[in-house]
Amino acid sequence: RKEVEQDPGPFNVPEGATVAFNCTYSNSASQSFFWYRQDCRKEPKLLMSVYSSGNEDGRFTAQLNRASQYISLLIRDSKLSDSATYLCVVRVGSGAGSYQLTFGKGTKLSVIP
Amino acid sequence: EAGVVQSPRYKIIEKKQPVAFWCNPISGHNTLYWYRQNLGQGPELLIRYENEEAVDDSQLPKDRFSAERLKGVDSTLKIQPAELGDSAVYLCASSLGSGSETQYFGPGTRLLVL
Repeated sequence: RKEVEQDPGPFNVPEGATVAFNCTYSNSASQSFFWYRQDCRKEPKLLMSVYSSGNEDGRFTAQLNRASQYISLLIRDSKLSDSATYLCVVRVGSGAGSYQLTFGKGTKLSVIP
Repeated sequence: EAGVVQSPRYKIIEKKQPVAFWCNPISGHNTLYWYRQNLGQGPELLIRYENEEAVDDSQLPKDRFSAERLKGVDSTLKIQPAELGDSAVYLCASSLGSGSETQYFGPGTRLLVL
């Protein structure tokens, strides 16, 4: 079982739609959780951290369920500019105060006019 | 502020040839990471440096891959000899430390081995 698994995608949605991405992780010692965005042929960039209480940033809402080891990202009112690959990322301690990021494969989103 | 700089951006080589990638992290960032990203996959860590010390190289294929960060600033990742399966994007990232700080990625070097 892969450490971080995501919806395979791709997701093709019309502008204005609401879309949700899911992610599960296998390491119960995972301490922190993130969503990164990666545009085509570009580097990954941090979109938002995911907190246990859930958090929102504009049209983006992230939620975490530690018991189920499940993370989600909801995008409301999709824009053309949201088209990208969304990477689910977990951070696990690797000793002596250090951490290691583990990335999922990513889910590709295409927002269609 | 300048981001993480990588060069070259693209490289095409024949198998069995050597290749090297260079990375200059964000100024003041002590921790430097090399990742490999295969097509359709997320980045996978190859090696992490704390200043000039390689503190996690467990995923680095040491038979053909080597890396250095001699002065604790910029870093070089080398493959010798390259194999067809090494075709991927090699991403460098940096962070202030290896704790909870955000990692910032460079644009990557896209390697194609023929």
